[in-house]
Amino acid sequence: DAGVIQSPRHEVTEMGQEVTLRCKPISGHNSLFWYRQTMMRGLELLIYFNNNVPIDDSGMPEDRFSAKMPNASFSTLKIQPSEPRDSAVYFCASSLSVGVGETQYFGPGTRLLVL
Amino acid sequence: GDSVTQMEGPVTLSEEAFLTINCTYTATGYPSLFWYVQYPGEGLQLLLKATKADDKGSNKGFEATYRKETTSFHLEKGSVQVSDSAVYFCALSPKNTGNQFYFGTGTSLTVIP
Repeated sequence: DAGVIQSPRHEVTEMGQEVTLRCKPISGHNSLFWYRQTMMRGLELLIYFNNNVPIDDSGMPEDRFSAKMPNASFSTLKIQPSEPRDSAVYFCASSLSVGVGETQYFGPGTRLLVL
Repeated sequence: GDSVTQMEGPVTLSEEAFLTINCTYTATGYPSLFWYVQYPGEGLQLLLKATKADDKGSNKGFEATYRKETTSFHLEKGSVQVSDSAVYFCALSPKNTGNQFYFGTGTSLTVIP
């Protein structure tokens, strides 16, 4: 299995620009999670989907952030406009279902730097 | 609410030393517990897990036992290697909130030859 695929792996952009991060979950997985990792705040859950439907977006920091999952094999996280404080590593993870104890499988992450 | 408290790092050990990284949790009911490992520049990988009290998860020489009475899930390894240098995260998945995970802050381990 290819695992969770994220693109791009690295992104450098200027403040005010739109940034789109992409994720392809493991085939057959029904749940998808977006996390942000920084030194200051650690690993934070931003939003998660079950069967392509957003279940909990309470971790999305503000309206500049939006996430979509148009089908079972693709999700995007968009930041518009981007700000320097958005610089972080963004991880996508997927799991087979939302059952308790289901392992989440993480992608390699997208390292975002906003100048 | 549900949370995980993890031992502060960084931890530096010599090769072949014994490792313990403490993890305690707060949760309603009986959550599932996990240890993930993150190598430099990579995503998190599942190291081991336990889904009920007294279960022992093990993998690659690492072990952790789900202790309900002490609400703990400490990670141990008898003899660490340089290749074990990474950041280790304890996490829980509560019983009744789907598959949302709560992660600890991570413990950085460096093993020196």
